[in-house]
Amino acid sequence: GAVVSQHPSRVICKSGTSVKIECRSLDFQATTMFWYRQFPKQSLMLMATSNEGSKATYEQGVEKDKFLINHASLTLSTLTVTSAHPEDSSFYICSAKIPHRGRTETQYFGPGTRLLVL
Amino acid sequence: GQNIDQPTEMTATEGAIVQINCTYQTSGFNGLFWYQQHAGEAPTFLSYNVLDGLEEKGRFSSFLSRSKGYSYLLLKELQMKDSASYLCASMDSNYQLIWGAGTKLIIKP
Repeated sequence: GAVVSQHPSRVICKSGTSVKIECRSLDFQATTMFWYRQFPKQSLMLMATSNEGSKATYEQGVEKDKFLINHASLTLSTLTVTSAHPEDSSFYICSAKIPHRGRTETQYFGPGTRLLVL
Repeated sequence: GQNIDQPTEMTATEGAIVQINCTYQTSGFNGLFWYQQHAGEAPTFLSYNVLDGLEEKGRFSSFLSRSKGYSYLLLKELQMKDSASYLCASMDSNYQLIWGAGTKLIIKP
């Protein structure tokens, strides 16, 4: 099946620094990628939808200047948490969507990136 | 390698019971999650099992057997709104999620 990877898998950083998380589709081209945030044992909260070659669409309440998303190619989307603070500590998960002819589009999830801001 | 297997699609009748199976092979184990995802929406957390046994939560129950690398999600008294994709995900020793491809559940009247 399709594989989505994320890098790094975990990161610890100091408050005020910026952190970049990469999401790659390894064996397929994804025109659309999604970024989620997950709190322990809770539902995934959609942060933004990233479309290749265009600006990301952010969900209500998500600061676009703080969570910068770049989808420069059909296999890579990046999320940069700028000026990270301890409350940004979370598990960030990306997913990629493959359109299927005649079928519902399928979404493949990455393994997640655990961010801890000290 | 690490992988998760679950059926691609299942069909059930309104009011009935359906069991969605999931088998997993991961490097270490820190729990098994089930999510429900309606088309166009974010996945919703349903359950988390880390110990063997059955956990019941209303119409939904989740079972885990660590020795067999096996889990199932049981849905009772099916309603039309239960039509969705159900995602199984295992957390490995590095606290990374290994996702199944999802089971599309179709409920018929």
